[in-house]
Amino acid sequence: DTEVTQTPKHLVMGMTNKKSLKCEQHMGHRAMYWYKQKAKKPPELMFVYSYEKLSINESVPSRFSPECPNSSLLNLHLHALQPEDSALYLCASSLRYTTASGSSYEQYFGPGTRLTVT
Amino acid sequence: GIQVEQSPPDLILQEGANSTLRCNFSDSVNNLQWFHQNPWGQLINLFYIPSGTKQNGRLSATTVATERYSLLYISSSQTTDSGVYFCAVERGSGNTPLVFGKGTRLSVIA
Repeated sequence: DTEVTQTPKHLVMGMTNKKSLKCEQHMGHRAMYWYKQKAKKPPELMFVYSYEKLSINESVPSRFSPECPNSSLLNLHLHALQPEDSALYLCASSLRYTTASGSSYEQYFGPGTRLTVT
Repeated sequence: GIQVEQSPPDLILQEGANSTLRCNFSDSVNNLQWFHQNPWGQLINLFYIPSGTKQNGRLSATTVATERYSLLYISSSQTTDSGVYFCAVERGSGNTPLVFGKGTRLSVIA
């Protein structure tokens, strides 16, 4: 089973709200990712977690706060977002994160959460 | 960083036609993936193909790593093939993110 699940599917929030996006996988993958995708653009990496530790933060504003409570779960906490943060947020996982020696692993994506900030 | 260029940017096909999508990249890679993004936003894995040739039903892909390009072939296209096709690569030095091309938007009409 190569399934990554995300909840909720859709989210509408005001600029003063606090909300969280959730991602889950049960494939034994130890790398998990958050991507942001604006309309008619490719996905852009936000964060990478490897073995539950943050490995990459692509200069994402602090109003986005990731959390990896265990090897199967990845959360993205949202606070004081701006309308320009409206986008499709995609979670992905892979067996491992790419190693320094260059070994890489196939990434699998969830269905995404479509976020609208009003 | 690594550059990924996909062509053509847009493609309209009659149902039953064949097509070839191209992905050029600017550096050596240790990961290359082809995805199909359906109208609901789901990214569906088509191929993990850093080198060589693979086939899956009506789809096949070839990556020539030494010449830094990959091709995705779609045969006997169907309306359900419509959507955006992305090529994504990881550079060969490791610890680098997956970088996506801008995609090819395919419309298959009946």
